[in-house]
Amino acid sequence: NAGVTQTPKFQVLKTGQSMTLQCAQDMNHEYMSWYRQDPGMGLRLIHYSVGAGITDQGEVPNGYNVSRSTTEDFPLRLLSAAPSQTSVYFCASSASGNSNQPQHFGDGTRLSIL
Amino acid sequence: TQLLEQSPQFLSIQEGENLTVYCNSSSVFSSLQWYRQEPGEGPVLLVTVVTGGEVKKLKRLTFQFGDARKDSSLHITAAQPGDTGLYLCAGAGDDYKLSFGAGTTVTVRA
Repeated sequence: NAGVTQTPKFQVLKTGQSMTLQCAQDMNHEYMSWYRQDPGMGLRLIHYSVGAGITDQGEVPNGYNVSRSTTEDFPLRLLSAAPSQTSVYFCASSASGNSNQPQHFGDGTRLSIL
Repeated sequence: TQLLEQSPQFLSIQEGENLTVYCNSSSVFSSLQWYRQEPGEGPVLLVTVVTGGEVKKLKRLTFQFGDARKDSSLHITAAQPGDTGLYLCAGAGDDYKLSFGAGTTVTVRA
């Protein structure tokens, strides 16, 4: 089973460039989310979605956009990359928006902004 | 500011020793989850504790949720090199969001 698939695994960007991080899940999960992981800071929620067509901001949403046109896909867009966005990005999904549900994570995208 | 404080930040022990990782907060959570993350991979759920005072065992791992549902601990008995990894706790509130601790890096030396 594929679970949560993130692409690309690695990416290097120049300041000011834009790009989209892809996330797809094949478990028919309603809830999807994006986190960034930085040393010593754990995982911080960027944006989340409780179902197709519905998105909301998390703890650190500035500089990022999301959309949820299908249940399976939840892309994360960096509008104008900044060095402060250098991080490891994780996409996660769960069966419902109930925060007691276990999160299934992808293997991450390692992003460097020069 | 981290909503959940994990301690210690790093832990290095010899194979066969025991260890305990703590997860503390001033907030009450409806549930608390523990994840383990290995290098180059995403976190994987180990356990969810829901009831105050609850104790769950997963082979050599024992998880406890505080009576007031503000803190939790993870105890590993007779640690093995395969237990090496980053252990993360995550608290669930009433909204659709999980709050993660910064993690404890555990290294078990053979």
